[in-house]
Amino acid sequence: AQSVTQPDIHITVSEGASLELRCNYSYGATPYLFWYVQSPGQGLQLLLKYFSGDTLVQGIKGFEAEFKRSQSSFNLRKPSVHWSDAAEYFCAFTGGGNKLTFGTGTQLKVEL
Amino acid sequence: DTGVSQNPRHKITKRGQNVTFRCDPISEHNRLYWYRQTLGQGPEFLTYFQNEAQLEKSRLLSDRFSAERPKGSFSTLEIQRTEQGDSAMYLCASSSLTSGGADTQYFGPGTRLTVL
Repeated sequence: AQSVTQPDIHITVSEGASLELRCNYSYGATPYLFWYVQSPGQGLQLLLKYFSGDTLVQGIKGFEAEFKRSQSSFNLRKPSVHWSDAAEYFCAFTGGGNKLTFGTGTQLKVEL
Repeated sequence: DTGVSQNPRHKITKRGQNVTFRCDPISEHNRLYWYRQTLGQGPEFLTYFQNEAQLEKSRLLSDRFSAERPKGSFSTLEIQRTEQGDSAMYLCASSSLTSGGADTQYFGPGTRLTVL
């Protein structure tokens, strides 16, 4: 079955520390991968996407993600977290170019 | 580019009532999607349109749910005879088909439905 797994439900980091959010997918071919962020009561904002080419992709707000085919992963990273990064982060993929399948999300808390 | 808009932002209704939500996509986007998100979960696909044609519906979309996009622009999602289990955030997204093999979906702020 096609699915996305985000193993960490909650993560707490100190402001200024580095961040890595994990995402693993299950799909028979190379998927199209996305990371979205959601603030409380709001819609989803696109952070970055991977379609093909360079496996390290840069996004907005200083985020980056690396596609690793051998590990079926697409982890999100940020070298130095800001308090405003506190939100819920969703990994998603599509195989056929239309509907997205989302993970259950990782709630990020930033300690000042 | 004004983004995807959704109305209303919040809706409280009593069980058994009908509700209708509206989504206005980004103007040049020909694809429009509806998702449902319950507390603590990621969004789940409900249905999508390309122009005015409804091309796919999820099994989650029971016969109490109907979606339309009559002129290929805005879309409405109607829920008839609401149940408490329909309480959720209903998200709309739009995109345009690109040559890259997949489209990039941009989401609206959502409509929060509470069924009492």
